Amino acid sequence: DAGVIQSPRHEVTEMGQEVTLRCKPISGHNSLFWYRQTMMRGLELLIYFNNNVPIDDSGMPEDRFSAKMPNASFSTLKIQPSEPRDSAVYFCASTAGYEQYFGPGTRLTVT
Amino acid sequence: GIQVEQSPPDLILQEGANSTLRCNFSDSVNNLQWFHQNPWGQLINLFYIPSGTKQNGRLSATTVATERYSLLYISSSQTTDSGVYFCAVERAGGGADGLTFGKGTHLIIQP
Repeated sequence: DAGVIQSPRHEVTEMGQEVTLRCKPISGHNSLFWYRQTMMRGLELLIYFNNNVPIDDSGMPEDRFSAKMPNASFSTLKIQPSEPRDSAVYFCASTAGYEQYFGPGTRLTVT
Repeated sequence: GIQVEQSPPDLILQEGANSTLRCNFSDSVNNLQWFHQNPWGQLINLFYIPSGTKQNGRLSATTVATERYSLLYISSSQTTDSGVYFCAVERAGGGADGLTFGKGTHLIIQP
């Protein structure tokens, strides 16, 4: 099993640009989660999907953030427009029950 | 929401020493996981342990759900054990709906 796959691993962009982060969950997992890690706020849940349906997006910081899961094997997190305060590591995780497995993360830097 | 407190925040030990990390949580949980974040930023699953005791090599964990705490034991520490250890929980009452993380214990093992 390849585990949770995220791309890109690193992204550097300028303020105002659109950023799209991608995630492929573990095959057979029906729940997918997006988390963000910053020094100030630690690890926090942004949004999660169950069977491709968004269940709770209360952690999404602003309308500039959106997430989709068009099928069971792919999800995107989009930031438009990006701001320097969005700089963080973004993790995707998936589960078939309760135990969650995390991808390697995408380190986003917005200048 | 549920509160997660980890202690100690920092721990410096010599190679070969044993350590105990603690996680207190404020409500009943249906998921509790311990992670090790290595120097490359990856979140490594250590234990899924909403209750009971588990062991994996030099590491073991115990969760006393009725008293709302969990302990992670590391024996005969090695320099590769260095990193940040996170406890994360999901409040009981539903399915998988996202982990709430503690702030972590930063462990440094000196040779």
